[in-house]
Amino acid sequence: AQSVTQPDIHITVSEGASLELRCNYSYGATPYLFWYVQSPGQGLQLLLKYFSGDTLVQGIKGFEAEFKRSQSSFNLRKPSVHWSDAAEYFCAVAPSGGSYIPTFGRGTSLIVHP
Amino acid sequence: DTEVTQTPKHLVMGMTNKKSLKCEQHMGHRAMYWYKQKAKKPPELMFVYSYEKLSINESVPSRFSPECPNSSLLNLHLHALQPEDSALYLCASSQDSGSYNSPLHFGNGTRLTVT
Repeated sequence: AQSVTQPDIHITVSEGASLELRCNYSYGATPYLFWYVQSPGQGLQLLLKYFSGDTLVQGIKGFEAEFKRSQSSFNLRKPSVHWSDAAEYFCAVAPSGGSYIPTFGRGTSLIVHP
Repeated sequence: DTEVTQTPKHLVMGMTNKKSLKCEQHMGHRAMYWYKQKAKKPPELMFVYSYEKLSINESVPSRFSPECPNSSLLNLHLHALQPEDSALYLCASSQDSGSYNSPLHFGNGTRLTVT
């Protein structure tokens, strides 16, 4: 079975600073990988996804993520954080064969200081 | 604006009550999902409907009863809940559950409190 680890419970950055949120997965083959964001009181919104091909994936809101097979990682990055980016970020992994239903990591809470 | 609509936004119910959560999507998606999310935790899958048939039940207690009347609607019937069932209940949909290029679209959830 697949699993995903987000090692950071909280990340604090200053507005305008760069951001990297870590995600590591465990799966026998190359999985399908996702990043979702959840603002307070809201549902989850898909930021980006990786299925195959170019390992650097561009998403919405200026986010990107890089798939590194050798490190079993799919870290999320943004060059300049805005106060509105403060939210909970979930990495998710789905098996590349079968139901494709994602398993979510525990989430990383992003705090943005002015 | 979300394309998956959940009602009500908030619900408070006693342990002897019967209530229902509703979810609606008009994107032509054929898979619909119920997730439960406790505070500061990731969403946990409860049920999956694919083409209006229940395809996955993640060993959810029978006090939760899903229903999919048609391809656009998904209900979750609640009966004799416990206080520990208090959580955010999220509905999601996707084009289908068997396609890799079919990410989930989530509603904003129903915040349920069981007293």
